[in-house]
Amino acid sequence: GEDVEQSLFLSVREGDSSVINCTYTDSSSTYLYWYKQEPGAGLQLLTYIFSNMDMKQDQRLTVLLNKKDKHLSLRIADTQTGDSAIYFCAESKGGDMRFGAGTRLTVKP
Amino acid sequence: GAGVSQSPSNKVTEKGKDVELRCDPISGHTALYWYRQRLGQGLEFLIYFQGNSAPDKSGLPSDRFSAERTGESVSTLTIQRTQQEDSAVYLCASSWGQRETQYFGPGTRLLVL
Repeated sequence: GEDVEQSLFLSVREGDSSVINCTYTDSSSTYLYWYKQEPGAGLQLLTYIFSNMDMKQDQRLTVLLNKKDKHLSLRIADTQTGDSAIYFCAESKGGDMRFGAGTRLTVKP
Repeated sequence: GAGVSQSPSNKVTEKGKDVELRCDPISGHTALYWYRQRLGQGLEFLIYFQGNSAPDKSGLPSDRFSAERTGESVSTLTIQRTQQEDSAVYLCASSWGQRETQYFGPGTRLLVL
């Protein structure tokens, strides 16, 4: 079947960069997403990238896509305690989306 | 503008009872999705509505689960004869159309005792 995989935990110090990695198996995916889920809240779309792009930058967020290796990463520069959350990678061809299990990012002061 | 809203935010029910969860999508969004998120797990697709087309029910885990949508507005997800394994957060999302970014509601936390 088609899977989206992420490591479950990441811990960084405040001010450092965080890199959250994701791999997917469906080579026909056209959209790849990063969502953030804070405790007790729903999912918040952070950013997305089309499969014909290899990089997208949005303020402190940088998304890198290696389509050949089916690898997606999210880099958060100057990570803050408010960035502590679960980050979900997702992919779609349109219609339903397939999500990873989420990476819990802990930011230590 | 208003985002996707869901009600109730929390629901505790006894095993065997039926529950109904509601989703109000963003006005004008033609696509609506339901997902389930079990504790510590990723999202599991349940069902997808697009305009007046027949819904994609391929993710519904059993015939105890059903969903309806009135036109391009409110949707309800119904779980009949609830089981303990139905305990999860049920998330609704809407988008302008297929292949468009989905916007999620806060979810309904369902606990089946």
